[in-house]
Amino acid sequence: NAGVTQTPKFRILKIGQSMTLQCTQDMNHNYMYWYRQDPGMGLKLIYYSVGAGITDKGEVPNGYNVSRSTTEDFPLRLELAAPSQTSVYFCASSLDGMNTEAFFGQGTRLTVV
Amino acid sequence: DQQVKQNSPSLSVQEGRISILNCDYTNSMFDYFLWYKKYPAEGPTFLISISSIKDKNEDGRFTVFLNKSAKHLSLHIVPSQPGDSAVYFCAASVGSNYKLTFGKGTLLTVNP
Repeated sequence: NAGVTQTPKFRILKIGQSMTLQCTQDMNHNYMYWYRQDPGMGLKLIYYSVGAGITDKGEVPNGYNVSRSTTEDFPLRLELAAPSQTSVYFCASSLDGMNTEAFFGQGTRLTVV
Repeated sequence: DQQVKQNSPSLSVQEGRISILNCDYTNSMFDYFLWYKKYPAEGPTFLISISSIKDKNEDGRFTVFLNKSAKHLSLHIVPSQPGDSAVYFCAASVGSNYKLTFGKGTLLTVNP
């Protein structure tokens, strides 16, 4: 049972480039989330999904897009990367909302130069 | 404006002693609180939670206390073990259960 898998683990992007952070879970969870963690800060919610075909903005959605075509996958798209998007990105899933145990991936460390 | 505050960036304790991690919040609408633990280069893992209708919740060596009037919660780890060394995040939510507000975290070091 792999849990939540994120790829890649590390990436360096140039300003203006785009990329997709992949996230997949094998626990059949309805809820999925993308967080970012800046140095010395707590996690901030970027986007979340309560089921396939349903997504909504979190606290810091600007510069990102998501899709949820299947229960398992929740990719995060960065268009026109900016230095402010340098961060560690975490994908998470939970069976029934974040008031229940959420399972996090190992994170993607992204640097925009 | 930080709604969830962990004012101690770090804490160091001896193995076998009690570790007390503190968390304050400003939003009186928060009604559910969680603690997550994070090791370096890993994602956070869920530790323990508490609803605002309770003032204490225990799970093995971990106990969370909630003082609603003071808008304060604390995580007690007894006895502390070297494997507990990690960053601990306090998080809170309001009603809707998909938006958590996280504190900045406290780095706990348990010395053998």
